Order: sequence, then structure tokens, then C-alpha cells
Amino acid sequence: DGGITQSPKYLFRKEGQNVTLSCEQNLNHDAMYWYRQDPGQGLRLIYYSQIVNDFQKGDIAEGYSVSREKKESFPLTVTSAQKNPTAFYLCASSIRGAPNTEAFFGQGTRLTVV
Amino acid sequence: QKEVEQDPGPLSVPEGAIVSLNCTYSNSAFQYFMWYRQYSRKGPELLMYTYSSGNKEDGRFTAQVDKSSKYISLFIRDSQPSDSATYLCAMTEEEYGNKLVFGAGTILRVKS
Repeated sequence: DGGITQSPKYLFRKEGQNVTLSCEQNLNHDAMYWYRQDPGQGLRLIYYSQIVNDFQKGDIAEGYSVSREKKESFPLTVTSAQKNPTAFYLCASSIRGAPNTEAFFGQGTRLTVV
Repeated sequence: QKEVEQDPGPLSVPEGAIVSLNCTYSNSAFQYFMWYRQYSRKGPELLMYTYSSGNKEDGRFTAQVDKSSKYISLFIRDSQPSDSATYLCAMTEEEYGNKLVFGAGTILRVKS
């Protein structure tokens, strides 16, 4: 089936560790996005990429890094510089230039610092 | 002040009730308004999409936008237990680019 796959579903990180969240899509979408969701704050944009080998910071990029080496993949690394990483992370994709209605979300990864 | 305000609830109603969910916003440049439904531990899915002011109906769901008051609403008629979810409003100035500003989400519980 076509769609967006995020893995793992649950992830635990120790203080000072970097962790990488996976996002893969087989929808042939050009654009991909990472959001963070916290209780009471809705979704906030971390990074987005409109084409391969190009990406832009969103509203809360500090402490995160991304890469876009392949059209299908947009991994997010949560670095030790991110002071409060515990959250629900959502990946989305859309056709480049498509209206906002055409964005599809993955099922999310819940990251917890232990 | 947040750019988009949404009461987090939870809102608890009996099955069959009419539900009203609302968001207010401060940016008068917002033109595109969306409602997403998010079940527990899942990604959001687009429910309704409205451009500018007016009403849009889709089955049991009606979206209203009042740009003069900077206020949007989602009405659910004949609510069902399967409607129990978090409802997120989102809005943007641009039709493209997906730079959406989200509300905090309202938790809805429909009791049978």
C-alpha cells in the first residue's frame, strides 16, 4: 500500500545521546516535513524539504538535523543539543507545489528521554 | 498570545449530540483553514478544508469561517462514539507550501 512509514513507533533516549527517527514514503512525493507535537501546543514545524538534497529550517529547528539524500527518505536526528526532546514526532509528505490539502501524515514516533 | 487559540477540552458529549469545536486566530492574512482529526497515537488526517469566509458541508460535518471575527468552527451532527478523537484546526496564508499554523487541538469524547 502507498503511504508514509515512520519508525520506530516508540523510542527511548538517554541524556546526551543522538537518536534518528526514520520517515519513508512511497507516494512519489517531492516534499517532506517534520513536525513536533506537544500536549497543549499543537503541531510545530521542525524542518521541511521540497526536493532531494535541499531542506529548510522550520519554526523550531534548533537541536535537530535532517538529510534528504533520497526522494523517499527524510530522517530526523534529535541531537543532544535539544534540551527537551520528549514529544510525539510526525512526518508528512506532499507533491511539490500541491495545495495544503494534499499533505499526508505518518503514524508518528513517540520519543521519551530516560 | 498564540497565533491560533483552541480550547484543549476535553469535551464530553452523549451520542447523537451536536458538537461545536472552535478556534480563534490573530493573523488577518490567514486565508486557508483546515480541520484535522487525530485518533490516539496516530497521525492527523484532513477532515475539512475551507478557503476564506463561508460554510462548507460534508456529510455530518460543517466547517464555518468568519474572517471578520477571526473565528472558525467545526460542527458535527449526530455525533458517534467513533468521532472520539482530537480535532486540530490549522490555517495558512498561502495555498501552497504547507506552512500551516496549528491550534493545540480539542479532545472530544462521545459517550454511547
